[in-house]
Amino acid sequence: SQQGEEDPQALSIQEGENATMNCSYKTSINNLQWYRQNSGRGLVHLILIRSNEREKHSGRLRVTLDTSKKSSSLLITASRAADTASYFCATDQAGTALIFGKGTTLSVSS
Amino acid sequence: GAGVSQSPRYKVAKRGQDVALRCDPISGHVSLFWYQQALGQGPEFLTYFQNEAQLDKSGLPSDRFFAERPEGSVSTLKIQRTQQEDSAVYLCASSLWAGTGVEQFFGPGTRLTVL
Repeated sequence: SQQGEEDPQALSIQEGENATMNCSYKTSINNLQWYRQNSGRGLVHLILIRSNEREKHSGRLRVTLDTSKKSSSLLITASRAADTASYFCATDQAGTALIFGKGTTLSVSS
Repeated sequence: GAGVSQSPRYKVAKRGQDVALRCDPISGHVSLFWYQQALGQGPEFLTYFQNEAQLDKSGLPSDRFFAERPEGSVSTLKIQRTQQEDSAVYLCASSLWAGTGVEQFFGPGTRLTVL
């Protein structure tokens, strides 16, 4: 079963625009991670936010976490064509397996 | 340094055949995970090893699926009597430590197609 649900399922934007993806999950978590997947590099870890954090930044990425609403958002600023990929949120409940959502497919056109 | 590698990258099997998928984790990584990713879906957990011990196999969909990591490094996922519903990408991941919040490093996956 999958824990997270990303929204939207697909997103198309122009280079330079910002992209926002949302993730909702069902049960309490220790942390939440975001991964990117493209055909060239497989699944790559982007950022982790712990349950006691509300916001985290890494380069052009900004992640927020609202544990009361069981939701997270990933913002990519000043998007580039190379950001074209699928983005997944993943939760880590028991310290072992990651539970992924279905993903958001982002397409950035130049 | 070398990342997680998987072989073969692509595998076509006739229904009923047995297949073996190999994962070479990053050297020294304690934890190893197998995931199954169907088309258009996120990865789903299959099984987890800490060194050579298989600590969680709750995600294996049937007793046709078997995984091992006998020396605590290389792992093999075996699927017996493959069925069409087994067609998916099988991802292997490793992490340096066991426990929560540890980054997992993924291999490129093996795309299995069962005809």
